[in-house]
Amino acid sequence: EDQVTQSPEALRLQEGESSSLNCSYTVSGLRGLFWYRQDPGKGPEFLFTLYSAGEEKEKERLKATLTKKESFLHITAPKPEDSATYLCAVLGGGADGLTFGKGTHLIIQP
Amino acid sequence: GAGVSQTPSNKVTEKGKYVELRCDPISGHTALYWYRQSLGQGPEFLIYFQGTGAADDSGLPNDRFFAVRPEGSVSTLKIQRTERGDSAVYLCASSFHSRGTGELFFGEGSRLTVL
Repeated sequence: EDQVTQSPEALRLQEGESSSLNCSYTVSGLRGLFWYRQDPGKGPEFLFTLYSAGEEKEKERLKATLTKKESFLHITAPKPEDSATYLCAVLGGGADGLTFGKGTHLIIQP
Repeated sequence: GAGVSQTPSNKVTEKGKYVELRCDPISGHTALYWYRQSLGQGPEFLIYFQGTGAADDSGLPNDRFFAVRPEGSVSTLKIQRTERGDSAVYLCASSFHSRGTGELFFGEGSRLTVL
């Protein structure tokens, strides 16, 4: 059974204070690891796909990296509008649906 | 509209009642997914459609849950004899990929409350 564990559950940062969110996973035949952003009352919004260890993707202040056991979402000099819940998910070898973690609730204080 | 549309946005019902939730995917997207998200949890996969057929319904929790997509566009999730434990946000997502993608476009969800 595919499993995704995210840490920390919640993180409060000052504006401009860089940090990283962790996503540990176990999966049979990884076909992709995905990061989503979810704002309150909204559906998740796709951010990145990572396919193999060593791969990196960037978008504005966010950078996602992947190893064989975990992924990191690095946030550089965050702004208050980066506040959201960040979800990590994996797509396993025989699956059609994603397995999501519980998310990290990120708050950026001005 | 440009995005995935879900109705109703909120539904309050009594235990034992029947409920239908509707999803209108992005035009041209052949793949459609239903997920369920409980408070403080990540979304949980329910069912995947490719065109009109349910290609994978392994996530449906029991036979009270059923979904259809008769014309390959709009989908309806149907829940019979609702229970309090069915209370959650039901999310619909679509994709232009034919199969096995995690790059999904989600709707805003239908919040179901079973009293």
